[in-house]
Amino acid sequence: DSGVTQTPKHLITATGQRVTLRCSPRSGDLSVYWYQQSLDQGLQFLIQYYNGEERAKGNILERFSAQQFPDLHSELNLSSLELGDSALYFCASAVGSSGNTIYFGEGSWLTVV
Amino acid sequence: GQQVMQIPQYQHVQEGEDFTTYCNSSTTLSNIQWYKQRPGGHPVFLIQLVKSGEVKKQKRLTFQFGEAKKNSSLHITATQTTDVGTYFCAGRNNDMRFGAGTRLTVKP
Repeated sequence: DSGVTQTPKHLITATGQRVTLRCSPRSGDLSVYWYQQSLDQGLQFLIQYYNGEERAKGNILERFSAQQFPDLHSELNLSSLELGDSALYFCASAVGSSGNTIYFGEGSWLTVV
Repeated sequence: GQQVMQIPQYQHVQEGEDFTTYCNSSTTLSNIQWYKQRPGGHPVFLIQLVKSGEVKKQKRLTFQFGEAKKNSSLHITATQTTDVGTYFCAGRNNDMRFGAGTRLTVKP
């Protein structure tokens, strides 16, 4: 158990819908990362927050957004969902903003039908 | 932008054979990390390399960071069935970028 909690574990939704994935980082970790993992594309970095502020941005679509709240939990919002958004979404946390071990949650499986 | 390339994509070995995966970055990295993801699991941190030319060992695993801090390798000696999984490198510059991973299968 990495200490990073993600909910929901599984989600099935229809195209065009909007979903929110939630992440609670390890106690004491200030950084939260979001990654998308699909079968053919490996781990794609989406976005990083550090202590409530956006720290780095990767290949995140405009239909997606994220935020980190004062209690350091984070949410990833996915809207206007398409079939191709079906993937495993990982949240990960770390103590600092860079150069630290990243601890992954077990992921949220999103299936868009 | 920063690109991290990892090869090979797949590697199938007989138990007892050695295995190596390579990682190359388009830019100089401040550090590189290696992760292992078992089938159906999540990535788990293995090690971090920071210094130019650094070599670290964990039992049968040897990790190297290139002199220019743009490439790295993971070598497993005498693979076992428990080594099965996907090995990812992750290079940090302004942010952390993962390689596509090398999926290792081991035939008993």
